[in-house]
Amino acid sequence: SQKIEQNSEALNIQEGKTATLTCNYTNYSPAYLQWYRQDPGRGPVFLLLIRENEKEKRKERLKVTFDTTLKQSLFHITASQPADSATYLCALDKKGYNNNDMRFGAGTRLTVKP
Amino acid sequence: GAGVSQSPSNKVTEKGKDVELRCDPISGHTALYWYRQSLGQGLEFLIYFQGNSAPDKSGLPSDRFSAERTGGSVSTLTIQRTQQEDSAVYLCASSLEAGGNQPQHFGDGTRLSIL
Repeated sequence: SQKIEQNSEALNIQEGKTATLTCNYTNYSPAYLQWYRQDPGRGPVFLLLIRENEKEKRKERLKVTFDTTLKQSLFHITASQPADSATYLCALDKKGYNNNDMRFGAGTRLTVKP
Repeated sequence: GAGVSQSPSNKVTEKGKDVELRCDPISGHTALYWYRQSLGQGLEFLIYFQGNSAPDKSGLPSDRFSAERTGGSVSTLTIQRTQQEDSAVYLCASSLEAGGNQPQHFGDGTRLSIL
């Protein structure tokens, strides 16, 4: 069956450290993988998109990697700040299924402590 | 504002009643998505529209759920004969076009509570 798994429901780190979140998938062959941030009571907000032929993408303090062999994406936040505390969701498309919709993981709740 | 708008923001209703949730996408966005998020859970895909047609309805949990989109803009999600397990936040998103290369823009959802 198809699965998208994000590491541990919650991740706690100290301010200034690098947070690393994992997204693993099974029985998908996505062409694109996206990362979103969700704050309590709000809808998700798009952060980054990476294509299957890209190994790495950066945006300010954010870095995303995409390994189609391992079927895994890593999401890094460097020099983390308490304001980075939120739930982070990965999403991927269903290339090959003639669909254009995305499927989301359950998310990882990140807490950055001052 | 120019974002995705959902209404109502909160809805409390009795079991067995019908409810209608509305989504107003960003102007010019041809793709529209509905998701359901239960407490502490991820996003469960329900249905998406490309224009007025719904190529993928596979996520609708039962025949009590239906959705339509007219004029390529506003969409409504209808739940008939609501059950307590329907309680969740219903999120709508839109994108310029359908596809994984398009960021989705989300509304803040409708929080539905079935008593």
